[in-house]
Amino acid sequence: GESVGLHLPTLSVQEGDNSIINCAYSNSASDYFIWYKQESGKGPQFIIDIRSNMDKRQGQRVTVLLNKTVKHLSLQIAATQPGDSAVYFCAEGTNNAGNMLTFGGGTRLMVKP
Amino acid sequence: GAGVSQSPSNKVTEKGKDVELRCDPISGHTALYWYRQSLGQGLEFLIYFQGNSAPDKSGLPSDRFSAERTGGSVSTLTIQRTQQEDSAVYLCASSLGVGVKYGYTFGSGTRLTVV
Repeated sequence: GESVGLHLPTLSVQEGDNSIINCAYSNSASDYFIWYKQESGKGPQFIIDIRSNMDKRQGQRVTVLLNKTVKHLSLQIAATQPGDSAVYFCAEGTNNAGNMLTFGGGTRLMVKP
Repeated sequence: GAGVSQSPSNKVTEKGKDVELRCDPISGHTALYWYRQSLGQGLEFLIYFQGNSAPDKSGLPSDRFSAERTGGSVSTLTIQRTQQEDSAVYLCASSLGVGVKYGYTFGSGTRLTVV
């Protein structure tokens, strides 16, 4: 079946630097994408979303970029803080499939003080 | 409630025993999902309930796994004759309605350890 971001890599960044977390998706029909943050011992929490008719969306210290040509999604975190340390998941979905989201494998972000 | 509530938060059980995991979704959320997360891994879809429709059980790994949702609210995931490979965090999520635009709200999960 279709898959999203099969890897669980680790990204280590220095506090204050910017972080970029990447995700590849394979379902070209997906029209909605979400980034989730999962801290240790907690469930994933919504960070930011983007629809397929957009290339970029900004939140507070976070930006999501969508490149539909190469089916790539990225999450940029500005001025990374220790509290940003977590596993980040991308998820994709299409309304044609009802309410189902497909999750990527996740990336662990470690922030060094 | 204010969020998705799961219980117990931790469960240690002996191999071969049955376990029940509970999920109490956000009031009014019509969709409910169960996922499994093995240590250091991503989210594995198990089962999905939407309103009164038949559940999507396509992700259940074996017939030892079953789930029900009573009254369109609370859901119970049952694992019979537990095996060590069932050890994982079991996450429940709910969403407001049909359509991916609603996203999911996750509970904190139940950490199941089979010894």
